[in-house]
Amino acid sequence: DAGITQSPRHKVTETGTPVTLRCHQTENHRYMYWYRQDPGHGLRLIHYSYGVKDTDKGEVSDGYSVSRSKTEDFLLTLESATSSQTSVYFCAISSSGSTGELFFGEGSRLTVL
Amino acid sequence: DQQVKQNSPSLSVQEGRISILNCDYTNSMFDYFLWYKKYPAEGPTFLISISSIKDKNEDGRFTVFLNKSAKHLSLHIVPSQPGDSAVYFCAASPSTDSWGKLQFGAGTQVVVTP
Repeated sequence: DAGITQSPRHKVTETGTPVTLRCHQTENHRYMYWYRQDPGHGLRLIHYSYGVKDTDKGEVSDGYSVSRSKTEDFLLTLESATSSQTSVYFCAISSSGSTGELFFGEGSRLTVL
Repeated sequence: DQQVKQNSPSLSVQEGRISILNCDYTNSMFDYFLWYKKYPAEGPTFLISISSIKDKNEDGRFTVFLNKSAKHLSLHIVPSQPGDSAVYFCAASPSTDSWGKLQFGAGTQVVVTP
């Protein structure tokens, strides 16, 4: 199994509070991604990174920011959480920039009340 | 607007029988297609893929068929086993826009009954 750890695995927070989710990998893969999974939508890409300090927006990036100061860590921040951001968040990594297999973490379930 | 659609949210099949999961896409630029399997409380795991230069790819009990003219792909599982009970996601990406920016379908929940 790919070494991907997400934290926290579960979090309940209130509207308007900041939240940071962490993804840590031990594979030294260059590419990292944050997806969210919602019923009826499958998984949607939020942000991705193609190297340290190199990030870009995905399909549903509004309300989210990311940072990658080290190869192994990719942080997803909700500056001011809203109820629409209640979701399961998955981090994924890949070793190649070309389309190919992604390795996913176990997910972080976030509930915004 | 979803570019990858899985119109069957659920599928129930008897153990030993064939499971057929369908996926349609709208973007003609998609060039690479993947299926992922997901168990509850776990992340999705890669199952099988196919590129547009092929119309079939087989891996053990799993076969993916691609019909580019119809913008349709299907996943066949033969024979179905209880451990195959999971949610299956179809995903697609254009070859010229990679970076793992996959477009996923909404998923199909498969239940294999004894």
